[in-house]
Amino acid sequence: QVQLVQSGAEVKKPGASVKVSCKASGYTFSGYYMHWVRQAPGQGLEWMGWINPNSGGTNYAQKFQGRVTMTRDTSISTAYMELSRLRSDDTAVYYCAREVVVPAAKENWFDPWGQGTLVTVSS
Amino acid sequence: DIQMTQSPSSLSASVGDRVTITCRASQSISSYLNWYQQKPGKAPKLLIYAASSLQSGVPSRFSGSGSGTDFTLTISSLQPEDFATYYCQQSYNTLRTFGQGTKVEIK
Repeated sequence: QVQLVQSGAEVKKPGASVKVSCKASGYTFSGYYMHWVRQAPGQGLEWMGWINPNSGGTNYAQKFQGRVTMTRDTSISTAYMELSRLRSDDTAVYYCAREVVVPAAKENWFDPWGQGTLVTVSS
Repeated sequence: DIQMTQSPSSLSASVGDRVTITCRASQSISSYLNWYQQKPGKAPKLLIYAASSLQSGVPSRFSGSGSGTDFTLTISSLQPEDFATYYCQQSYNTLRTFGQGTKVEIK
């Protein structure tokens, strides 16, 4: 079955960087964009950006421009999200999500999602 | 960016009630609107895509409607397992955005 498995929880100090991985299985990794979404404690979902695993092309939300880098390793069907210059308000659960696209029907959606990775930023 | 505004932010309802959640986009997004359900400590789960198409395996008590800027998620008869937070998400713009969420609680 289609599955996304993320790396484990991280604790980082302010100013440090974190790199979260998302390993895909059950489908052709390069055929679907991968998105990253985060959720601060008790808050809603915040879209961060996407990576095209085929080309490596990326598109980031303006809020994260300059601090986020999304990469992939197609040989192991894994996407990565690195966030630098961490602050306390970056404490959140970070999710990867595969985007399914049906161009002819003008349909696209996120499914499935990874299980989430808690990143805690604390001195 | 396209802003997505959900209402209400929370609601209390009883088992068996009909529940309606609305989502408004800051500009027309055609039918590029998806709905997700999230339970505490879990990843979001797709319920409805393209405004009104039911994801496989999702109970038929869930339905979606709307196009342009105004959309609705309806639960026809609320069940105990439906108490959760619901998010709309636009997929029209390459920069995706979510609504702020609607928490459905037990009355």
